[in-house]
Amino acid sequence: IQMTQSPSSVSASVGDTVTITCRASRAFSSYLAWYQQKPGKAPNLLIYEASTLQSGVPARFSGSESGTEFTLTISSLQPEDSATYYCQQVESFPWTFGQGTKVEIK
Amino acid sequence: EVQLVESGGGFVQPGGSLRLSCAASGFDVTNKYMSWVRQVPGKGLEWVAVIYTDDVPHYSDSVKRRFTISRDTSQNKLHLQMNGLRAEDTAIYYCTKVFRGSYCRVSTCNTDQDYYSDFWGQGTLVTVSS
Repeated sequence: IQMTQSPSSVSASVGDTVTITCRASRAFSSYLAWYQQKPGKAPNLLIYEASTLQSGVPARFSGSESGTEFTLTISSLQPEDSATYYCQQVESFPWTFGQGTKVEIK
Repeated sequence: EVQLVESGGGFVQPGGSLRLSCAASGFDVTNKYMSWVRQVPGKGLEWVAVIYTDDVPHYSDSVKRRFTISRDTSQNKLHLQMNGLRAEDTAIYYCTKVFRGSYCRVSTCNTDQDYYSDFWGQGTLVTVSS
């Protein structure tokens, strides 16, 4: 399954809402994760099963799905949200990641 | 506290071998799903391999028949034996602890569905070059 992530980068101000999308090459239900990666660090799980918030992750992060499209929304963007975000499908082998979206703070 | 510490990375010539290790603390690797994910510096993430709680491994097509994932329960470690290394294997290799989502814990699912990496090591760099 190919995961096409967009946009590749986005620049937004503190307090803005940012939306990142992953489109799957075929339909599947809910077996998707979102990870955040800061420079020089390992990725960190934000959301699993498309919309379940991982323990300890701020509630301004949310996930949703519609057909072959999965969305990560960051509400009220904070300076510490500057990072690259990846989706990953875990519907079938090989598990595949999107290309990543770099979020920058204006 | 869960911690994962990778080691064993380094410089190797094409065709060579390396064995990566991941020392786990704060949990027992014996009854956990564990995986390896790699990342070319500055590029995206690529899943490499997973080992299930019944010790059944699964691999990406790009490493199948060259890499072997295993666990050492006596030392609480995960390993990745890498043979026949190629330039395209150059990457940072991350060890991850994996859990199965709640849906497939209570429902019948395919064996490859609903697994997520909740803890990651800091990574170890493997460079394959002549």
